[in-house]
Amino acid sequence: KAGVTQTPRYLIKTRGQQVTLSCSPISGHRSVSWYQQTPGQGLQFLFEYFSETQRNKGNFPGRFSGRQFSNSRSEMNVSTLELGDSALYLCASSLALAGGNKASYEQYFGPGTRLTVT
Amino acid sequence: GESVGLHLPTLSVQEGDNSIINCAYSNSASDYFIWYKQESGKGPQFIIDIRSNMDKRQGQRVTVLLNKTVKHLSLQIAATQPGDSAVYFCAEKSLSNTDKLIFGTGTRLQVFP
Repeated sequence: KAGVTQTPRYLIKTRGQQVTLSCSPISGHRSVSWYQQTPGQGLQFLFEYFSETQRNKGNFPGRFSGRQFSNSRSEMNVSTLELGDSALYLCASSLALAGGNKASYEQYFGPGTRLTVT
Repeated sequence: GESVGLHLPTLSVQEGDNSIINCAYSNSASDYFIWYKQESGKGPQFIIDIRSNMDKRQGQRVTVLLNKTVKHLSLQIAATQPGDSAVYFCAEKSLSNTDKLIFGTGTRLQVFP
């Protein structure tokens, strides 16, 4: 079974521009979460989508947004890019089934999109 | 690939020795804990997990210990190999209706021959 895929893998943008990143979860997984990873702040939760609805959101400004499609694929968008947005953006997926089955809440990460803002 | 953290605590061990990586978690309400391994240029890779109703769980060459009293988690790697060199993160979450993970700062494991 294919893992979580993210596109593009690398991206260079200029301050003020906007960017859209894509994440395709493992087949059958219904929940997609996004994280930002920087050397200074580590891994920080951005938001989580389940059944096309945002289920949880981290402490990031409104310039960061996302959505999930009916096939569970997700995109995140960052508008008005700042230099500090340079980071590795990771998405993770899980089955997210009710009932507490262990397999339902294991999360698997994609390779990330390396965004550089100049 | 680029380093995931320039100022991470580092554990250096000799090949064949056992490694112990520690983590203090933040939320006493967390009831599920995971260890991830991240190699340069890759996303975090699931290693082992443990629920809060357990205090020890073993996998292949790895053991996770949970001490809820002091909110401490540890990862033990037996017979450490060069391929174990990576950054290791602990993560915590609540098994309520969210997948949100709170990550620790990470520890870099270096294995030398």
